[in-house]
Amino acid sequence: AQSVAQPEDQVNVAEGNPLTVKCTYSVSGNPYLFWYVQYPNRGLQFLLKYITGDNLVKGSYGFEAEFNKSQTSFHLKKPSALVSDSALYFCAVSHTGGFKTIFGAGTRLFVKA
Amino acid sequence: EAGVAQSPRYKIIEKRQSVAFWCNPISGHATLYWYQQILGQGPKLLIQFQNNGVVDDSQLPKDRFSAERLKGVDSTLKIQPAKLEDSAVYLCASSSSRGRGSQETQYFGPGTRLLVL
Repeated sequence: AQSVAQPEDQVNVAEGNPLTVKCTYSVSGNPYLFWYVQYPNRGLQFLLKYITGDNLVKGSYGFEAEFNKSQTSFHLKKPSALVSDSALYFCAVSHTGGFKTIFGAGTRLFVKA
Repeated sequence: EAGVAQSPRYKIIEKRQSVAFWCNPISGHATLYWYQQILGQGPKLLIQFQNNGVVDDSQLPKDRFSAERLKGVDSTLKIQPAKLEDSAVYLCASSSSRGRGSQETQYFGPGTRLLVL
């Protein structure tokens, strides 16, 4: 069975500081990993994904994520946080041979000015 | 290009009433998804269509929920009768997947917020 965990309900960071939002997963086979962001009263927006290749993936708005197979993790990072990054972030996983995507419970990021 | 369209944006009904939601995916996208997002939780897949065929509906409460995608384009999701626990945001998404693979990016609509009283 596939699953994804976001261990932190909320992450607080000061503007200009680096941020990390954590995600771990469990799948059979090779994973496909995604990060989506949700702003209030809006649908989810795609940030980045890992399918294969380079473990460091760069995405929209300066975000990046590193795939770590041994730790089964796919943490989202940004070198310098902006107040406008404050939103709800979802990690999601699917896998080769499957077609269902499972979403984590979400992590609320709060960036303080 | 136009995004995924959903209507209505908000709906308030009483329990045991019926309700329907509509979704129009991005033009040319073969795969369409309906998700239920309960407050404080991540989206849960209810049903996934590939063109007008069902790929997965394992988490759809089939005694009260139904969905169709006629002609492989837009889709409707219906709840009849509604229960209090159906209060949630219903998200529609589409992707350009044409096979069984799940590596494609999903594009989400704004969602329909349902409140069942």
